[in-house]
Parts: sequence; C-alpha cells; structure tokens
Amino acid sequence: DIQMTQSPSTLSASVGDTVIITCRASQSVSPWLAWYQQKPGKAPAVLIYKASTLESGVPSRFSGSGSGREFTLTITNLQPDDFATYYCQQYYGDSRAFGQGTRVEI
Amino acid sequence: EVQLVESGGGLVQPGGSLTLSCAASGFVFTSFEMNWVRQAPGKGLEWLAYIGSSNTVIKYADSVKGRFTISRDVAKNSLVLQMKSLRVEDTAVYYCARRRGYGSGGPTDFWGLGTLVTVSS
Repeated sequence: DIQMTQSPSTLSASVGDTVIITCRASQSVSPWLAWYQQKPGKAPAVLIYKASTLESGVPSRFSGSGSGREFTLTITNLQPDDFATYYCQQYYGDSRAFGQGTRVEI
Repeated sequence: EVQLVESGGGLVQPGGSLTLSCAASGFVFTSFEMNWVRQAPGKGLEWLAYIGSSNTVIKYADSVKGRFTISRDVAKNSLVLQMKSLRVEDTAVYYCARRRGYGSGGPTDFWGLGTLVTVSS
C-alpha cells in the first residue's frame, strides 16, 4: 500500500506568515493528491484536489503544487481562521491513505 | 443538499461486534465511491475502506482487513460498516465520506459528522 508522510508535524506561525507543508508518497501518486483542513470537533474539508486545483469556495491564499511523489500545500497571508490541522490524501492506488497531519498553531 | 448521517456507534467490549450505518441523501448514492475513515482521540485521520460506485470494487486498509466489512444498501441509500473482533485501538470517531469521481477531480468532498465507537471492558 502507498504510504504518505507529511512534514512538519507541527508548525508555529503568526498571522500574515506564509507556511509550507510537505507531503511525500512512497510511490508516484500524480495527480491524485488532495489536501484537507480539519478544525477541532469537525469533519475535514477539502481545500485542494488533483494536487493543485482549488476547491470551489476555498480562499486563494491556499495553493497546492507538486507531482510524482512530492507535494506541497502553501498558505500565504495566514489568517486566524487558518490555525487548524492539515492532511494530505492520495487516491491513486487501491488505498486512500492520509498523511499523519500537520498542526498549524499560533 | 448532500447529507451523510452516521449512526450505530457506542460502547462495545473487546472482541465484540458493531455495525455502523450512514444514511445518504441529496445525491445519487450509487454514482459515488463511498469511504469509511476514522480518527482515534487526539490522532490523525485513518482511511479504512471504500466501495466503488458499481459495488464491484471494495478495498480495505491492512489494519481492518478481515475484521471489517463495507457494504452498500441501495434500497435504503445507506452505507454500512460491519465491525467484528473489535480491539481497544479501534476506539475512534468513524466518518462516512463521499469521494467524487476522477472526472471531477476525485477528492473526498462530503463527510458526515461522525459516530463515536468506544471499545473498552
């Protein structure tokens, strides 16, 4: 099964910062990689799909890039509402594995 | 409006069984891949299983293969997860989730609110 590794596991940032989260797959999963945001007590919500396509309604300060095995989620001009946990997920193979998550904290 | 509502969670003893259901509405249930995902307390998301739109493709995570069974009740527009031989480490919130087709980019775009399963003696 495809394994997903995210880094860092925790990230400290301030409002207005740019943050970058990395996700690496154990094999190529292009282009089938999505990013999700989860807030405490809530279900995840999709931000980016197909590695770089912004989901409808998601602010443009979120962007995704990458191909093959390595992908990044970039949040520019970090807003108070963005402090949350972020997950990548591949949907290329027979599994739908998630990364272990990156908590973005103040 | 797309809605996914899980039910069936609760307290069960180690070694016991439990069946979760997810009532789907607001979309053509048989046209989408459906997934079960869980989240242990304070931990990350763990994908468990999916059933393809045609019901011909079913896949499981290694952690639940042979113990959990995913199925789709078309008459009731319901996704089901039968769980047996439950372990303490199966304690988690269990989410039902819909995945869009690859032609639409393919992400998991709708999630239920989750149902809590606690495995404890």
